[in-house]
Amino acid sequence: GQQLNQSPQSMFIQEGEDVSMNCTSSSIFNTWLWYKQDPGEGPVLLIALYKAGELTSNGRLTAQFGITRKDSFLNISASIPSDVGIYFCAGRYNFNKFYFGSGTKLNVKP
Amino acid sequence: SAVISQKPSRDICQRGTSLTIQCQVDSQVTMMFWYRQQPGQSLTLIATANQGSEATYESGFVIDKFPISRPNLTFSTLTVSNMSPEDSSIYLCSVVGVGANTGELFFGEGSRLTVL
Repeated sequence: GQQLNQSPQSMFIQEGEDVSMNCTSSSIFNTWLWYKQDPGEGPVLLIALYKAGELTSNGRLTAQFGITRKDSFLNISASIPSDVGIYFCAGRYNFNKFYFGSGTKLNVKP
Repeated sequence: SAVISQKPSRDICQRGTSLTIQCQVDSQVTMMFWYRQQPGQSLTLIATANQGSEATYESGFVIDKFPISRPNLTFSTLTVSNMSPEDSSIYLCSVVGVGANTGELFFGEGSRLTVL
């Protein structure tokens, strides 16, 4: 199936720092989604992007749908300890096909 | 967004046994999927659960190993049959949103299976 390249694989940052992670694909997508997964939980949808160039915020989180429709990034500003978790990107081409990145594990040191 | 409940949330199973996971959604949804997440890995689609007909399986997954039922638009079950330690994973039910959330995929809290 379609592979999304998500980077970085893991990050160790200090509380208060900003974080950036991204996903790239060899194919175009119509939708980009960003999720956070806490240990023992299912992924929770953070941001959904529908149009090329779209920039959307959710609190301290900002995500953008790349102009080429083959990439997306997620920024977290002023990180806090509860931001710890695994972040996944997902791309959707048609109605029922979602492809997931490999995840970015975020660690925040107080 | 839809509220998705899964049972059991976790279980420890013996090799060779089977376990059925239930997924209940608080609203009628057309598209429902089952994913597997192996330890430390991303999400892999097992199958699309079709209401009133056989599920559509992805490459590498077969009905004999992962039978799925979808009797209505709010409920589905996934059975993991003849389990081996390699089946130890989190199994996730997911649905595509409706209305304003069309195009968004929502997940249950997952069922963590450990096979001894």
